[in-house]
Amino acid sequence: EVQLEESGGGLVQPGGSRKLSCEAFGFTFRNFWMTWVRQAPGKGLEWVANIKGDGSVTTYVDSVKGRFTISRDNDKDSLYLEMNNLRVDDTAMYYCARCYSSGAIEDSWGQGTLVTVSP
Amino acid sequence: ETVMTQSPVTLAVSPGETATLSCRASQSVSGNLAWYRHTPGQTPRLLIYGASTRAPGVPDRFSGRGYGTEFTLTISGLQSEDFAVYYCQQYSDWPPVTFGGGTRVEI
Repeated sequence: EVQLEESGGGLVQPGGSRKLSCEAFGFTFRNFWMTWVRQAPGKGLEWVANIKGDGSVTTYVDSVKGRFTISRDNDKDSLYLEMNNLRVDDTAMYYCARCYSSGAIEDSWGQGTLVTVSP
Repeated sequence: ETVMTQSPVTLAVSPGETATLSCRASQSVSGNLAWYRHTPGQTPRLLIYGASTRAPGVPDRFSGRGYGTEFTLTISGLQSEDFAVYYCQQYSDWPPVTFGGGTRVEI
């Protein structure tokens, strides 16, 4: 059974940093693109970034470019999102998800980890 | 960036009835469209990809159709777990992958 477990969320001050982790179970992690998707309180889903199975390709939504870095460690079956210069509008539940095909079609999702950016 | 617009924002339906949700793309996405169901407190679930292909394990009461810029998701015989928020997603022109704003299906 595919499982994804996020961790690392919490309360951060504006301008601060946070690193999220997502550990994968039940599938050959290195064979899949992975994605981070977020949902701000009361808002819809927003795609944040994705990364190819071997880590050679990463893409981002414009609002996080230069501030967030997606990475992975295939030996540890783990996905990461390093977030710097956080803003109040980065407050959201962050989900990691496995991509069924190339960099999209998220077919398995974690439970999410909440990041709150507040003074 | 391809903007996805869903309508209606909220849809009130009775259990057992049929719901039809719409999704429009600001430019053609061919058939590169997925639908997700998100129940509060749970993780989003992939329902449809390729505009009309049901994901494994998805009941056949869910059906998708469309191509280019206009898409629909039809849910027949609504069950209690179907009262949720539904999102369309295009993956034709990325980055970024983009989601619609969602349609809330309520009783």
